[in-house]
Amino acid sequence: DAGITQSPRYKITETGRQVTLMCHQTWSHSYMFWYRQDLGHGLRLIYYSAAADITDKGEVPDGYVVSRSKTENFPLTLESATRSQTSVYFCASSAQGAVNSPLHFGNGTRLTVT
Amino acid sequence: SQQGEEDPQALSIQEGENATMNCSYKTSINNLQWYRQNSGRGLVHLILIRSNEREKHSGRLRVTLDTSKKSSSLLITASRAADTASYFCATPSGSRLTFGEGTQLTVNP
Repeated sequence: DAGITQSPRYKITETGRQVTLMCHQTWSHSYMFWYRQDLGHGLRLIYYSAAADITDKGEVPDGYVVSRSKTENFPLTLESATRSQTSVYFCASSAQGAVNSPLHFGNGTRLTVT
Repeated sequence: SQQGEEDPQALSIQEGENATMNCSYKTSINNLQWYRQNSGRGLVHLILIRSNEREKHSGRLRVTLDTSKKSSSLLITASRAADTASYFCATPSGSRLTFGEGTQLTVNP
C-alpha cells in the first residue's frame, strides 16, 4: 500500500537500551522528518532529511541518531534510552520540504522507557 | 520554540453547529498550514494558505489568514461527530515547520 509506515506501533524498553524506530515511505518524497509528541509540548522536530545521505538536527536532537541510506527509509535510533524519551514518535515525509508543501504523517510509535 | 498557538485549547459543540479555532503566531510567515489528528493516529494535512491569500475553502472547512494581526482561523461548518479530533496550526520557522499544541474539538451527537 502506498503511504508512510512506522514500526513498531508500540514499544516498551528499559533505560539504557538501544532502540530503533523504523519509517518507510512509498512516495519517493525527498524530505523526511521525525517528530515527538508530548503533552504540554505539542510536536517537536527531532531530525529531518532533505535527501538520501543528508540529515540535519531539529529542535530536540540530543540522544537520537538518524540515517538515510535509501530515500524511502529514515530510521530513528535512541542510543541509550532514557525515561524522558517516553513519547509518541511520528515520522513524516514531504515532496518539497516542510514549509511549502504538506507533510504526510505515519500513525506513530508509542515508546515507553521504563 | 513554538511559533503558533491555538485557541481555545478545547471546544465542545453539538453536531450541526459550527466550530471556530484560532491560531496566533509571532513572526512574519509565507504560509500557514492546518492539520487534524484523530485519536491514536498521525496528523492529516487539511489546508495550506499563503500569505497573499486572505481566505481559502475546502469542503466544509474555511481558513482565513490575517497577516496584519498575525492570526489565522479554521472554521468547520455543520460539524459532524467524525470531526472530533485535535486541530493544529503549523507555521514555518526557517526551513522547519513548527506546530502549536492544538485545539481539541469534541462534536457531540
